[in-house]
Amino acid sequence: SQQGEEDPQALSIQEGENATMNCSYKTSINNLQWYRQNSGRGLVHLILIRSNEREKHSGRLRVTLDTSKKSSSLLITASRAADTASYFCATDDGSSNTGKLIFGQGTTLQVKP
Amino acid sequence: DSGVTQTPKHLITATGQRVTLRCSPRSGDLSVYWYQQSLDQGLQFLIQYYNGEERAKGNILERFSAQQFPDLHSELNLSSLELGDSALYFCASSVGVGGQETQYFGPGTRLLVL
Repeated sequence: SQQGEEDPQALSIQEGENATMNCSYKTSINNLQWYRQNSGRGLVHLILIRSNEREKHSGRLRVTLDTSKKSSSLLITASRAADTASYFCATDDGSSNTGKLIFGQGTTLQVKP
Repeated sequence: DSGVTQTPKHLITATGQRVTLRCSPRSGDLSVYWYQQSLDQGLQFLIQYYNGEERAKGNILERFSAQQFPDLHSELNLSSLELGDSALYFCASSVGVGGQETQYFGPGTRLLVL
């Protein structure tokens, strides 16, 4: 079963614009991670934010986490054509004893040059 | 390159057959995870091994089994294959056992069952 729901399902923007993707989840978590997947290829880890953190930055990426709303957002600033990919949020199952990740359905981002 | 390797990259087989997917984790990682990605189910956790022992089980069919060997590489065995088993199978690894860590994914094995 899917933990997270991502919004929007698809996003198309021009190069240089910012892209925001949202993720909602259902149960308590220890952390939330964002991954990128280029068409049909492996997942690349982008950022991990812990449940006691509210915001985290990595280069052009900014992730926020609101545990009271059970939601997270990923902001990509000054987007590039190379950012075209699918983006997934993934949460743990709230246990510290396993590493099971529960993925959302993903947001497909297209950045037009 | 995540450091996680998977073989083969592609696999085409027939219904009823059995296949084995192989994964080598990053150096130093003790946990190996298997995930299945399909169009209808999305990315689903199958199973986790930690240092040779099964740690967590997800939506893994009884026709599927896995193991982690003393050298920490892992194999996922899929038997009595059905058309619906066609999917991308990912292996991931992490240093420890818990959900507080980054998981690094391999490039995946694309399985097509005809």
